[in-house]
Amino acid sequence: AQKVTQAQTEISVVEKEDVTLDCVYETRDTTYYLFWYKQPPSGELVFLIRRNSFDEQNEISGRYSWNFQKSTSSFNFTITASQVVDSAVYFCALSEVNSGGSNYKLTFGKGTLLTVNP
Amino acid sequence: GAVVSQHPSWVICKSGTSVKIECRSLDFQATTMFWYRQFPKQSLMLMATSNEGSKATYEQGVEKDKFLINHASLTLSTLTVTSAHPEDSSFYICSADFGGLGETQYFGPGTRLLVL
Repeated sequence: AQKVTQAQTEISVVEKEDVTLDCVYETRDTTYYLFWYKQPPSGELVFLIRRNSFDEQNEISGRYSWNFQKSTSSFNFTITASQVVDSAVYFCALSEVNSGGSNYKLTFGKGTLLTVNP
Repeated sequence: GAVVSQHPSWVICKSGTSVKIECRSLDFQATTMFWYRQFPKQSLMLMATSNEGSKATYEQGVEKDKFLINHASLTLSTLTVTSAHPEDSSFYICSADFGGLGETQYFGPGTRLLVL
């Protein structure tokens, strides 16, 4: 069964600090996709990134960067020079075909609440 | 990114009534739509997956007679909570994608349901 673990329940940093959110996943499939979503206090989930299992290149988008390592089944997310607006719950998610093979779904981690203090 | 809307954003109702929540993909045709439930300070739990024109696939433990899902078109799916009770109070979120493994799901803003 697929599983996503975000061991950090809450993280609190001071503005301009760098912060890394950890994500470890379990899957039996060779083809799968990983995602990160941001959920601000308003509640709406905002898509941040998608990565397929065959692409281990790290990615940088502005202050955001992602480190995908299949050897350790991890897909970590780093925010550089954090800002107050980065305060939110961040979810890592795994997509794979379900056991019946007829559909697919996202399995979410429990989320990490990031608080950036001024 | 793609835009998904939900209506209403807030619902307060009396126990025993039914509540309908709409989910619309505004700028794309969504082959598949998903319904999630989220309790305070918890993660999202998938309730069901619906494909246009076919019956929804419910996750284990989700009562299909209580949570009726209709996916009548490629841009609209509805979730009806029948005979709602206080324990059904939650944050309900829908998402939509183009269909297929690995497609990005775009989420609606969510509907907060409070059953008195």
